[in-house]
Amino acid sequence: DTEVTQTPKHLVMGMTNKKSLKCEQHMGHRAMYWYKQKAKKPPELMFVYSYEKLSINESVPSRFSPECPNSSLLNLHLHALQPEDSALYLCASSQDYRLTNEKLFFGSGTQLSVL
Amino acid sequence: GENVEQHPSTLSVQEGDSAVIKCTYSDSASNYFPWYKQELGKGPQLIIDIRSNVGEKKDQRIAVTLNKTAKHFSLHITETQPEDSAVYFCAANEKLTFGTGTRLTIIP
Repeated sequence: DTEVTQTPKHLVMGMTNKKSLKCEQHMGHRAMYWYKQKAKKPPELMFVYSYEKLSINESVPSRFSPECPNSSLLNLHLHALQPEDSALYLCASSQDYRLTNEKLFFGSGTQLSVL
Repeated sequence: GENVEQHPSTLSVQEGDSAVIKCTYSDSASNYFPWYKQELGKGPQLIIDIRSNVGEKKDQRIAVTLNKTAKHFSLHITETQPEDSAVYFCAANEKLTFGTGTRLTIIP
């Protein structure tokens, strides 16, 4: 199984809602990532978890809260988002965390719309 | 932050012809250079990568060349097919910054 599974595929939420994005991988990878991708732009790194501990936070606003319950699961909790947060949120995993030397496996993403 | 410049932003190629996409990076310490393909409605997928100890790598119709002195690397796709149509991203630098992307269209 070489897949990274993300749910839901689509999400519409209001600015006062609380929602969560979920990501799962069963490749035994020890590093997991959240990326944000706006339309016609490249993915931008948000968070990196290595061995279930937060290794990188790219100065992401606190309305985005990541969580890594175990080595296979990664969540992104959303609260009080703004319309400009609308984007495709991509989860990825890699065997180990050395961004400069690792093959990333991406999920298909969650298309988020904030109204 | 460290930039990765990618050109061209769009490329249309007749089926069967070759396509070349170029990237320039800024971090001289970079030693890993992947290329990702993103199809509509999907996440990026790694298609080929190269490490700094080699100058060229080939996998069937896809090849990547690296010039560390000039800090640029290129993706070459030969005998293009309609299924090659997608957005392609290079990546480099300390935190694997993605290039701005190239939308490749193969004309049947």
